[in-house]
Amino acid sequence: GAVVSQHPSRVICKSGTSVKIECRSLDFQATTMFWYRQFPKKSLMLMATSNEGSKATYEQGVEKDKFLINHASLTLSTLTVTSAHPEDSSFYICSASPSGSEQYFGPGTRLTVT
Amino acid sequence: EDQVTQSPEALRLQEGESSSLNCSYTVSGLRGLFWYRQDPGKGPEFLFTLYSAGEEKEKERLKATLTKKESFLHITAPKPEDSATYLCAAPNSNSGYALNFGKGTSLLVTP
Repeated sequence: GAVVSQHPSRVICKSGTSVKIECRSLDFQATTMFWYRQFPKKSLMLMATSNEGSKATYEQGVEKDKFLINHASLTLSTLTVTSAHPEDSSFYICSASPSGSEQYFGPGTRLTVT
Repeated sequence: EDQVTQSPEALRLQEGESSSLNCSYTVSGLRGLFWYRQDPGKGPEFLFTLYSAGEEKEKERLKATLTKKESFLHITAPKPEDSATYLCAAPNSNSGYALNFGKGTSLLVTP
């Protein structure tokens, strides 16, 4: 089956620093990847759509200057949380689709900002 | 506005006690109804995609069905390892294939 990986799985950073999260599709190419955020005991909320070779599309209310997305290749998208603050602490999950319909999710990255 | 609503929010079953989870949706031009399983601290694991009313799919003790307004995830003779949160989702009608998720049903199966 389609496999999506994320790195790191957990990260703790100090307030004001930046953190990069990688999302890779391991056995397929994906022109589009998605980034979601999930708070404890809540469902997944779409943050942005990552498009290979072009700018990401952000959902309403998501600051594009704070959450930088780069889709550098057909198998890699990165999310950089810039100038992180404690309220950015969350579970970040990416997904990708080999065919444009069924999406496969990464294992998630737990970000804690102290 | 697209909406995906799941019920119940939580469900506790005894091992072997069959039940169903509900997902109702209002999405313009449905392009698939997705079911995922999520374990704590993990990403969602793909279970099923249903595309048209009347369609059914099965996997082990799970069977998903779809009508024009809702989908059901039937769990037959569940085991404790079926305990997880089950998420229902549908692509936003105006956001490509980005998924709009329901809030999930947290299932606990006790021995």
